[in-house]
Amino acid sequence: GEDVEQSLFLSVREGDSSVINCTYTDSSSTYLYWYKQEPGAGLQLLTYIFSNMDMKQDQRLTVLLNKKDKHLSLRIADTQTGDSAIYFCAEIPSGGYNKLIFGAGTRLAVHP
Amino acid sequence: SAVISQKPSRDICQRGTSLTIQCQVDSQVTMMFWYRQQPGQSLTLIATANQGSEATYESGFVIDKFPISRPNLTFSTLTVSNMSPEDSSIYLCSVEDLTGNRGYTFGSGTRLTVV
Repeated sequence: GEDVEQSLFLSVREGDSSVINCTYTDSSSTYLYWYKQEPGAGLQLLTYIFSNMDMKQDQRLTVLLNKKDKHLSLRIADTQTGDSAIYFCAEIPSGGYNKLIFGAGTRLAVHP
Repeated sequence: SAVISQKPSRDICQRGTSLTIQCQVDSQVTMMFWYRQQPGQSLTLIATANQGSEATYESGFVIDKFPISRPNLTFSTLTVSNMSPEDSSIYLCSVEDLTGNRGYTFGSGTRLTVV
């Protein structure tokens, strides 16, 4: 079945790196996404990775994909208080044309 | 990427009534998607809306409860019918970003509270 799992909570000190992890079940997923949701707001697409890649870097964000283990991670370098939000991992499973399957979300708390 | 305007942004409704949520996109899109985010939970796809045809509903969602209109390529509505407190959620519309981003853009959501 389709399932995306994430740890629910992460607390980091300002300036440190944050690593948010995600596991998924469909090995045929084509694209995997990271979304950010700030309190009271909608979802903001942060980045995505195609399944034939194992790493993607975009400024402070680094996405790592381990297809063998079906593991996706998002690393935020130099984490700032403005990064405090809920981060959702999502996949489009094979045969699930345009249907995003979301994880439960990881709440990132950044403290001074 | 596409810009989505969704309204209302929030509403408090009496049980038994219906609420229609509007989603306007600044560009033409083939498919629009409606999601529900129950309190403290993740997002679940309700249905996919194509212009000129009936919406396709996911398991657990039915047209009588969540009728959807898609009159043109830039607009869609979702109605939450005969509401109960269990319908209290955030409802979000989404479109595929066809600019090469390969992501999906979301509206800011409608926060619905049913009392």
